[in-house]
Amino acid sequence: QVQLVQSGAEVKKPGASVKVSCKASGYTSPNYGISWVRQAPGQGLEWMGWISAYNGNTKYTEKLQGRVTMTTDKSTSTAYLELRSLRSDDTATYYCARYESGCSGGICHIKWFDPWGQGTLVTVSS
Amino acid sequence: DIQLTQSPSFLSASVADRVTITCRASQDISNYLAWYQQKPGKAPKLLIYAASTLQNGVPSRFSGSGSGTEFTLTISGLQPEDFATYYCQQLNTYPLTFGGGTKVEIK
Repeated sequence: QVQLVQSGAEVKKPGASVKVSCKASGYTSPNYGISWVRQAPGQGLEWMGWISAYNGNTKYTEKLQGRVTMTTDKSTSTAYLELRSLRSDDTATYYCARYESGCSGGICHIKWFDPWGQGTLVTVSS
Repeated sequence: DIQLTQSPSFLSASVADRVTITCRASQDISNYLAWYQQKPGKAPKLLIYAASTLQNGVPSRFSGSGSGTEFTLTISGLQPEDFATYYCQQLNTYPLTFGGGTKVEIK
């Protein structure tokens, strides 16, 4: 079955960087990509960006531009999220999720996020 | 950014109840809306996409409707495993955004 398995919890100091991995299995189509979503403790969901499995294109939320990089390793079907210059408000559970997009009239939209990885807790504390 | 306002934010209901959750968008998002269920300590799970299309494997007691700026998620006959937090998500405009969530608890 389709599955996304993420790396384990991390504890980082303010100003450091973190890299979270997300290994995909159970599908091979390049029509899917990986998106990243985070959730601060007790809070709602925040979309961070996506990376296309087809061509490696990325799109990030403006809020994180300059601090975030999403990459993929096709040889291992693994996606990576790197977040730099960590602050205390980056403390959150980070999720990867597979997405499918569709295009109509030259305009493309993501249709859904499914499935999601199990989440990786990143704690930023001095 | 497009704001999604879910109501209510908290809902107390009994097994077998019919439950309706509303998601209002600050701008027209056509039908680019998805609904997710999240249980404590778990990742969200896709229930509905394109406002009204039920994801494979999701029980038919879940249904979605709406377009433009107003959407609803209905659970017809609440089951014990349905007690969770539900989120809507708009996929029309970047940045993609989520509603604040609706927590469904046992009465």
